[in-house]
Amino acid sequence: AQKVTQAQTEISVVEKEDVTLDCVYETRDTTYYLFWYKQPPSGELVFLIRRNSFDEQNEISGRYSWNFQKSTSSFNFTITASQVVDSAVYFCALRGNRGAQKLVFGQGTRLTINP
Amino acid sequence: NAGVTQTPKFRVLKTGQSMTLLCAQDMNHEYMYWYRQDPGMGLRLIHYSVGEGTTAKGEVPDGYNVSRLKKQNFLLGLESAAPSQTSVYFCASSYVSWRTGELFFGEGSRLTVL
Repeated sequence: AQKVTQAQTEISVVEKEDVTLDCVYETRDTTYYLFWYKQPPSGELVFLIRRNSFDEQNEISGRYSWNFQKSTSSFNFTITASQVVDSAVYFCALRGNRGAQKLVFGQGTRLTINP
Repeated sequence: NAGVTQTPKFRVLKTGQSMTLLCAQDMNHEYMYWYRQDPGMGLRLIHYSVGEGTTAKGEVPDGYNVSRLKKQNFLLGLESAAPSQTSVYFCASSYVSWRTGELFFGEGSRLTVL
């Protein structure tokens, strides 16, 4: 079975602080894909990033960065110099290499950036 | 492009009533999904479809039925609504590609069952 755990239910920081959202996953597939989605207060789900299991290179996109470590089954998401607009619920998700590309989601982390 | 469109956006039902949520996508995606979102539980897969005329059960299928008569549409039905089905429902679609696989989501449909 596949499982994604986001242990941090809620995080609150002051604007301009750096913040890391943790994601730990479980899968028996040798090939799999990890995702992060953002759900702002408006409610829609916005795709942020996809990472393949055979590519452990970390990725940076502006103030966002992702740290993928197979050894610890983690795919953590860091926001540098956070802004109020980053306030949202963030979901980590996993897809194996079998089945109809079904995504298994974590419980989500509600991030609040205070001015 | 509209992407993924869900109707209705909001609905209030009484216990025992039935209803259908419609999902339409204009991206020619093969795969479509219905998820429900509940506080503290993330998104859980209800049913999904790998193509026109096919459907399959997800993680929490009980109390729901689906149909995919046309490639662009995926319907989610509640035959006899229960308060436990109060939730926000999201439809999603995706390409058939092992290189990508990200889901494109609709805006959600908030259902309240009294």
